[in-house]
Amino acid sequence: ETGVTQSPTHLIKTRGQQVTLRCSSQSGHNTVSWYQQALGQGPQFIFQYYREEENGRGNFPPRFSGLQFPNYSSELNVNALELDDSALYLCASSLQGTETQYFGPGTRLLVL
Amino acid sequence: GENVEQHPSTLSVQEGDSAVIKCTYSDSASNYFPWYKQELGKRPQLIIDIRSNVGEKKDQRIAVTLNKTAKHFSLHITETQPEDSAVYFCAAAFGNEKLTFGTGTRLTIIP
Repeated sequence: ETGVTQSPTHLIKTRGQQVTLRCSSQSGHNTVSWYQQALGQGPQFIFQYYREEENGRGNFPPRFSGLQFPNYSSELNVNALELDDSALYLCASSLQGTETQYFGPGTRLLVL
Repeated sequence: GENVEQHPSTLSVQEGDSAVIKCTYSDSASNYFPWYKQELGKRPQLIIDIRSNVGEKKDQRIAVTLNKTAKHFSLHITETQPEDSAVYFCAAAFGNEKLTFGTGTRLTIIP
């Protein structure tokens, strides 16, 4: 296993609600990236955090936002949930200056 | 932006035979190409990666080749075993920036 942890493992929400997902990076890693993986598809990049600031963003609307804390852990917040937000949300940690990203087990979100 | 295409989408091979999965990328600036294995309900697991200054890399039964001129890279698995059955994703990135993934290949090893 990678040492990257995520919580919760599963979550059910209704349309319009808000959700917060959490990620703890592998020890020594200072960069966290978030990905959305819809069923049967490859992960899609949402954004990356380094030194508590957003360091790159994919093609996702502003209702997807994030935070990184001084201990390098991170949160993904999604407002005004839509049915299409149902997916597996993965975080990956890495060390700035190196390329390898290690994934956590993901949070499976179902929006009804 | 970067676009990664992956083929085939499904692949079935007899146990002991070899499997090859191919990817092409569009952005010549990409310089890092990892391969991930994802079993059902589990996290993507890095199995091998290659950087643009290397043409080939091997780790036991797994090898990756990279052709920068043609912008394609391939995963080769030899002497396949039932535990190799999974979905495999290729990806491309510039440094440790965002990974752009292919659409995945479902590999089934037939005993």
